[in-house]
Amino acid sequence: GQQLNQSPQSMFIQEGEDVSMNCTSSSIFNTWLWYKQDPGEGPVLLIALYKAGELTSNGRLTAQFGITRKDSFLNISASIPSDVGIYFCAGQLGNNDMRFGAGTRLTVKP
Amino acid sequence: EADIYQTPRYLVIGTGKKITLECSQTMGHDKMYWYQQDPGMELHLIHYSYGVNSTEKGDLSSESTVSRIRTEHFPLTLESARPSHTSQYLCASSVSGRTYGYTFGSGTRLTVV
Repeated sequence: GQQLNQSPQSMFIQEGEDVSMNCTSSSIFNTWLWYKQDPGEGPVLLIALYKAGELTSNGRLTAQFGITRKDSFLNISASIPSDVGIYFCAGQLGNNDMRFGAGTRLTVKP
Repeated sequence: EADIYQTPRYLVIGTGKKITLECSQTMGHDKMYWYQQDPGMELHLIHYSYGVNSTEKGDLSSESTVSRIRTEHFPLTLESARPSHTSQYLCASSVSGRTYGYTFGSGTRLTVV
């Protein structure tokens, strides 16, 4: 099946630093999504990307849909303590079910 | 605000008990999913449904069973709970033909002692 490789697995950063994480696949997708999961909660959709090359922002978050349709990245600028959590990438092809990456665990030190 | 609800949020239960985890959504979504997630770890799909009376097993083998008698309701049942079933269970839903992603519930944290 389609496998998503998400990196890094964990990040420990200082408040105010920028963060970058990415997701790659051996298969193409026509939708890439990024979710954030707070401790003890379900994942919440942050950004959805629908076109190769698309660059989308949501506040301090910026995500891009790779030109090859096999990768995506998420950047967080000027991190704050509430950015702590697990960030999951997800890819979808057509009406097929979504595939999730293994997650990037972000810790922000005040 | 999510319109998908899971109950209970937390459950501690003894080995051998039968349990049902509830999941309901009010969005009219036809597709529903159950994921199992150990704390801080990745999501594993254990069951999914594309509509009423349709259920399939996911990528991760699970001793649980599901049913889909009504569009809005997708309960998960464990006939005899064991400590190895201790985990978080997340329910999600989506709409066919649209790529808006999944909407997740808040999860049920199950502990079997």
